[in-house]
Amino acid sequence: GNSVTQMEGPVTLSEEAFLTINCTYTATGYPSLFWYVQYPGEGLQLLLKATKADDKGSNKGFEATYRKETTSFHLEKGSVQVSDSAVYFCALSDRGSARQLTFGSGTQLTVLP
Amino acid sequence: SAVISQKPSRDICQRGTSLTIQCQVDSQVTMMFWYRQQPGQSLTLIATANQGSEATYESGFVIDKFPISRPNLTFSTLTVSNMSPEDSSIYLCSALTGTNSGNTIYFGEGSWLTVV
Repeated sequence: GNSVTQMEGPVTLSEEAFLTINCTYTATGYPSLFWYVQYPGEGLQLLLKATKADDKGSNKGFEATYRKETTSFHLEKGSVQVSDSAVYFCALSDRGSARQLTFGSGTQLTVLP
Repeated sequence: SAVISQKPSRDICQRGTSLTIQCQVDSQVTMMFWYRQQPGQSLTLIATANQGSEATYESGFVIDKFPISRPNLTFSTLTVSNMSPEDSSIYLCSALTGTNSGNTIYFGEGSWLTVV
């Protein structure tokens, strides 16, 4: 079956530090890959996505590249801000699973001023 | 994109009662889903809401406990029946939009239920 493995948190960084949150996946087909973000007290928001190998998703300074050879979709940001403090979820959608999402466990990020 | 509205956004419920959560999407979508997020946990799929037919439930979830309706392509409800404190969670509605090559799943802001 499908699975998503995320870097364990919590992650604490100082403002302007470089961020990497690792995500690897297992899927039977050719999934679409997503990063979702959940700010404190809020629901889930789509941050970025990639639908095929070598695609790069980007939004709000965050980037992730779909690497089929390493089955990875690591999230990166060059300079984090306090407002980036949230829980980040990596997820995949496999057409063979009726396109429902399989989520990673989530990574709590705290950015200190 | 799709804008998904859920209500109630929060509620405190008495043990043994039932609560129905409504989900409205601002456009017609092919698929709708219901997820649960228990405190401090990731999201778990409850079921796929099928338009005009019975929902498809994931392992560990049953229709008697979580009846779901989807009368049209933009609206669905989830009922949490005979609630216990273990049902305290965020319940999220989601919808699939787009084509086979560019599908995206969007979420509502969630319904935060506390059972006392």
